[in-house]
Amino acid sequence: ETGVTQTPRHLVMGMTNKKSLKCEQHLGHNAMYWYKQSAKKPLELMFVYSLEERVENNSVPSRFSPECPNSSHLFLHLHTLQPEDSALYLCASSQRQGTNTGELFFGEGSRLTVL
Amino acid sequence: QKEVEQNSGPLSVPEGAIASLNCTYSDRVSQSFFWYRQYSGKSPELIMSIYSNGDKEDGRFTAQLNKASQYVSLLIRDSQPSDSATYLCAASDDYKLSFGAGTTVTVRA
Repeated sequence: ETGVTQTPRHLVMGMTNKKSLKCEQHLGHNAMYWYKQSAKKPLELMFVYSLEERVENNSVPSRFSPECPNSSHLFLHLHTLQPEDSALYLCASSQRQGTNTGELFFGEGSRLTVL
Repeated sequence: QKEVEQNSGPLSVPEGAIASLNCTYSDRVSQSFFWYRQYSGKSPELIMSIYSNGDKEDGRFTAQLNKASQYVSLLIRDSQPSDSATYLCAASDDYKLSFGAGTTVTVRA
């Protein structure tokens, strides 16, 4: 596989469920990101990991919990979500965080619907 | 206050015409600028980056940067139906990347 892969591509969950989104990058990059994309709104940065260390937590509610076990894998654990959390969740990677931060490679996204 | 602003469109252009997309940013510390293309139902894809004032050309795409006016633009020459997508402008201060909400472009055949 190449690039950045995300699973699942679609997820429907109730407000009391616990689920996880998975991201894997095959580019040898050192930084990984979670973004939230809602209709007609700019991409919102949620979390940044650089060399497996979280370097950014953009005031994200605690019902979203990231995990980065190594430089190739990133998870977003979800629990007790709200309907307004329904959105497209995008994982991205870059060669390293800080320099040329704008050159991101995105996965195809996980479309989340919270009922 | 929005950090990166774009006209949401839709911008409709006939095939073969020039599509002109504009973007302004509020943070004077921003040093690097990027244009991403996002097809409907797909993820964003980097198509252009620009770091210094002036024009940068890549095929049918030209990015223009004016740091004094805090303005970035993207020109798409000889527009094709395959250029129909949402174009996201982004600005970086080498630490934080801020995106605009995107301009939707429709190229009419």
